Amino acid sequence: DTAVSQTPKYLVTQMGNDKSIKCEQNLGHDTMYWYKQDSKKFLKIMFSYNNKELIINETVPNRFSPKSPDKAHLNLHINSLELGDSAVYFCASSHSAEQFFGPGTRLTVL
Amino acid sequence: AQSVTQPDIHITVSEGASLELRCNYSYGATPYLFWYVQSPGQGLQLLLKYFSGDTLVQGIKGFEAEFKRSQSSFNLRKPSVHWSDAAEYFCAVAEGAGNKLVFGAGTILRVKS
Repeated sequence: DTAVSQTPKYLVTQMGNDKSIKCEQNLGHDTMYWYKQDSKKFLKIMFSYNNKELIINETVPNRFSPKSPDKAHLNLHINSLELGDSAVYFCASSHSAEQFFGPGTRLTVL
Repeated sequence: AQSVTQPDIHITVSEGASLELRCNYSYGATPYLFWYVQSPGQGLQLLLKYFSGDTLVQGIKGFEAEFKRSQSSFNLRKPSVHWSDAAEYFCAVAEGAGNKLVFGAGTILRVKS
């Protein structure tokens, strides 16, 4: 039983396109997160939602828009993709400070 | 803003040897501290965490870490490394109301036979 799942696992697309990454957790957690891991493996928070409300919004271009239809899902939509958006995007969920991560989505922008 | 420093980018140890990965943090209050491991092409797996109490915490896969407030450190140790421990290790601190994780830059562990 996968606790935190992401789709797709790989995403290859052209510059300028719009794409979405989906995340689902079956742990019953209230809080979900998106992190970005760049080419140097550095991990940085992007967004966090608690019970469908945005609680963390780091300095991220407004081309990135998270959406939480319910507390088990947190999707990430990216408009007008740029080369620098190429990275691995991780979803996570938590009910306290301990976070459980999904397997990641490797986004490659050509 | 809080920060986490992992001074060693790469570490190579022989299989069966002991291991210590260093982590230093800057944080005003008692931090929530974590070690995660990432194998190539994989996600992040939690090895262990410190919230409060006993400063020596045990984790999975035979790892342990010690919180030392005076040194602002949370070093990860393992007495005998196995080849399957080769991976990248991340130290992190939880910060703020949303408990966002602030990660160190990671330490790549290589195990030689």
